[in-house]
Amino acid sequence: GAVVSQHPSRVICKSGTSVKIECRSLDFQATTMFWYRQFPKQSLMLMATSNEGSKATYEQGVEKDKFLINHASLTLSTLTVTSAHPEDSSFYICSALLSRESAYEQYFGPGTRLTVT
Amino acid sequence: GQSLEQPSEVTAVEGAIVQINCTYQTSGFYGLSWYQQHDGGAPTFLSYNALDGLEETGRFSSFLSRSDSYGYLLLQELQMKDSASYFCAVMDSSYKLIFGSGTRLLVRP
Repeated sequence: GAVVSQHPSRVICKSGTSVKIECRSLDFQATTMFWYRQFPKQSLMLMATSNEGSKATYEQGVEKDKFLINHASLTLSTLTVTSAHPEDSSFYICSALLSRESAYEQYFGPGTRLTVT
Repeated sequence: GQSLEQPSEVTAVEGAIVQINCTYQTSGFYGLSWYQQHDGGAPTFLSYNALDGLEETGRFSSFLSRSDSYGYLLLQELQMKDSASYFCAVMDSSYKLIFGSGTRLLVRP
């Protein structure tokens, strides 16, 4: 159990366009999901916390108007990169929070590799 | 500030045992997790420690000492497929994960 999917796995878009990435928890409900970005050979950096039914909480330095997050249901969160630029090219990974026997674990999706040309 | 420190690279021989250490300094602490990431892939969950002591899951074990703000991941009977990056991460009181910079493990024949 505890499977998280992401779609698309890979996307190439032109500078100035917008891209939407979906994150789904397949076999559990997740009131909280997280969005990360990872540049080559670097660690994961948390971008924002996505809460079902409420506004996302963004980390310092992350532009909320550029990275739109919508957590419309208990199994789906979306990240839209608006007016993408080449510097937005990165590996975007979501995770879903699962409570299991009073412990909390984050399960990660397979990631989306975004290339902006 | 919040920081986690782990070695950048470790090399070991197939069949050996390797320990990856992690020290942390964070404003909140809910637990220490370990993740494995192969090149081009997403992180996969390995273990989680909320209390002091050793947690064993197959060939992998993880240890936590909250008083020392220290933990480690122990990998036994190393296999070539264990070559990957390993990240320690602290979960804070709002369930966010703060990741270390990662340790690249190279297993040699």
